[in-house]
Formats: sequence, structure tokens, C-alpha cells
Amino acid sequence: AQTVTQSQPEMSVQEAETVTLSCTYDTSESDYYLFWYKQPPSRQMILVIRQEAYKQQNATENRFSVNFQKAAKSFSLKISDSQLGDAAMYFCAYRSANTGNQFYFGTGTSLTVIP
Amino acid sequence: NAGVTQTPKFQVLKTGQSMTLQCAQDMNHEYMSWYRQDPGMGLRLIHYSVGAGITDQGEVPNGYNVSRSTTEDFPLRLLSAAPSQTSVYFCASSWRGGEETQYFGPGTRLLVL
Repeated sequence: AQTVTQSQPEMSVQEAETVTLSCTYDTSESDYYLFWYKQPPSRQMILVIRQEAYKQQNATENRFSVNFQKAAKSFSLKISDSQLGDAAMYFCAYRSANTGNQFYFGTGTSLTVIP
Repeated sequence: NAGVTQTPKFQVLKTGQSMTLQCAQDMNHEYMSWYRQDPGMGLRLIHYSVGAGITDQGEVPNGYNVSRSTTEDFPLRLLSAAPSQTSVYFCASSWRGGEETQYFGPGTRLLVL
């Protein structure tokens, strides 16, 4: 099974600053998808951003962008102009393009935003 | 659309009791999954279904049963609850595999005494 590793259990950032959350994964497949999910205190899982492995261009969604390094199997999330509402647990996830349904999640990074 | 709904939101069980966690989606999604979330463990897949009548085991299936008689519903049954099953349970669905993202329900918090 694929493994997803988030080596930073906790991170903090000053409001309006930039923070990068790390994620690495282990796979022998060449075609797959990567996701970042946000889980605020409400526990609702919210999709932040998605990256297709066959695309070299890094995905961007407003203040959120990724640095996807396929050879290094690295998929970091950068949050620019951090806001108080960004405080949450962030999960990195992997999904194979071949086996389809199964998502593999990392253990999460708890992000604190300091006013 | 209500999206993915889960009931109940919170449940307390005694060891050995059985119960069913309900999950429903109104988006006509083919894929549905059950996860459990434990502190420091992320989300782990329990069972999943790729369509009505088709289910398969995930990473941690022991102690749980599922069935998928309709596209909309995917209940998770705890046969004989154990304290180790104390967790938060999430149901999720997606149109199909691959690039399609999953939509999550609000979760069910289960406490087994």
C-alpha cells in the first residue's frame, strides 16, 4: 500500500505571513493524484487543492499553491497571506489513477495562525 | 443537494452492543467509503464500495460490515462494539475514482465504554 508522510505534526504562522506544509509519499505508480484537505474544528473535511501527477505545472487556488516534485515524491502546500480562518488540521492524500477508489492519508499537520 | 449526510452525530455504546452508522449521498456518486479518524493516525479506510452491490475491504475492516443495496446509501455496521472502536467515523463519496475528489460527511463520534 502507498504511504503518505507528514513530518510536521504542528506548525504555526503569523497572520499575513506565508507557511509551507510538507508531505512526502511512497509509490511505484507513475499515474496518480494528490490532494490537500483542511479539517477545521467543525471536523468537516474540505478540499483545498488537487494535483494530477501527469501535470508538471503546480496547482494554485487563490492563496494556496503546491510545490509538486514528482521525482522526489514530494507535495508541499504553501499558504500565502495566512488568515485566522486558515487555522485547521491539514491532511495530504494520495489516490491511484489505476486502483481508483482508495485514498491514503497522512497523519496531518495542525496549523495555528497567530494574530 | 444535501451532499453526504451521516447519522447519528454522536453515539455512546457499551462493549458488545451492535449498531449501524448511516450514510447517504444525493449526488449519484458511484464510489462511497468509510474512514475512521484517530488522534495521530490520520484517516484510515475501513470499507469502500464502487457501486451498488459491490463492496471491498480497506485498511482496517475487522469488526465492521457494510452493504450497498442502493447507490445512495452505505451503512456501516459494528457487530460487537469494542473500546478500540472509539473513534470519529467519516463517510465519503465521489463520482468515480482517479482525479475525482471525495466529498465527506460531517462525521459520527462514537464512544464505546
